[in-house]
Amino acid sequence: DTAVSQTPKYLVTQMGNDKSIKCEQNLGHDTMYWYKQDSKKFLKIMFSYNNKELIINETVPNRFSPKSPDKAHLNLHINSLELGDSAVYFCASSLTGFGNTIYFGEGSWLTVV
Amino acid sequence: KQEVTQIPAALSVPEGENLVLNCSFTDSAIYNLQWFRQDPGKGLTSLLLIQSSQREQTSGRLNASLDKSSGRSTLYIAASQPGDSATYLCARRGADSWGKLQFGAGTQVVVTP
Repeated sequence: DTAVSQTPKYLVTQMGNDKSIKCEQNLGHDTMYWYKQDSKKFLKIMFSYNNKELIINETVPNRFSPKSPDKAHLNLHINSLELGDSAVYFCASSLTGFGNTIYFGEGSWLTVV
Repeated sequence: KQEVTQIPAALSVPEGENLVLNCSFTDSAIYNLQWFRQDPGKGLTSLLLIQSSQREQTSGRLNASLDKSSGRSTLYIAASQPGDSATYLCARRGADSWGKLQFGAGTQVVVTP
């Protein structure tokens, strides 16, 4: 069974559209994250939630809005997509925010044209 | 400002040789350090997690060391195999950064048969 799963895996969309990426973890973890990997392959944190509560918001444009309906799910909604939003978005989870291994999903490849 | 640096950026070795991958970080106030493997088009797979109180961790052919005072971690892979070909990423979790990993750019490894 996949521990951290995210959908869709690939997404091609036009500038100005709104899109969502969904993430679910079946590990019983309290903490979930969104990371972005840009074209230079650097991974940077975007958001972190602990038990549905926003903990980290890393200076991300407010066109990006995370939502956590429960501690097993963390979705990412992006409004008014721009070319520069093209990247790979990774969902991840850990038991708590400190001291524990972080497990990553397979990534969602977003291409804005 | 890059806070986590991985050298070399790329490495090619013949099968059977030992691999040595280096990771350095500027802020030694570290909570733990995690090594990941990323295959092309895939997510990140956690390899080893070293807590700040530990000097090293081992798993099979993998051994990771941590020297907080010098701001360095090293991942050793013994008797490399073609299946070890991937990008290896290290990530620092700071003592004051709840749940947030700072990633290096990675070392791309190719093991030739």
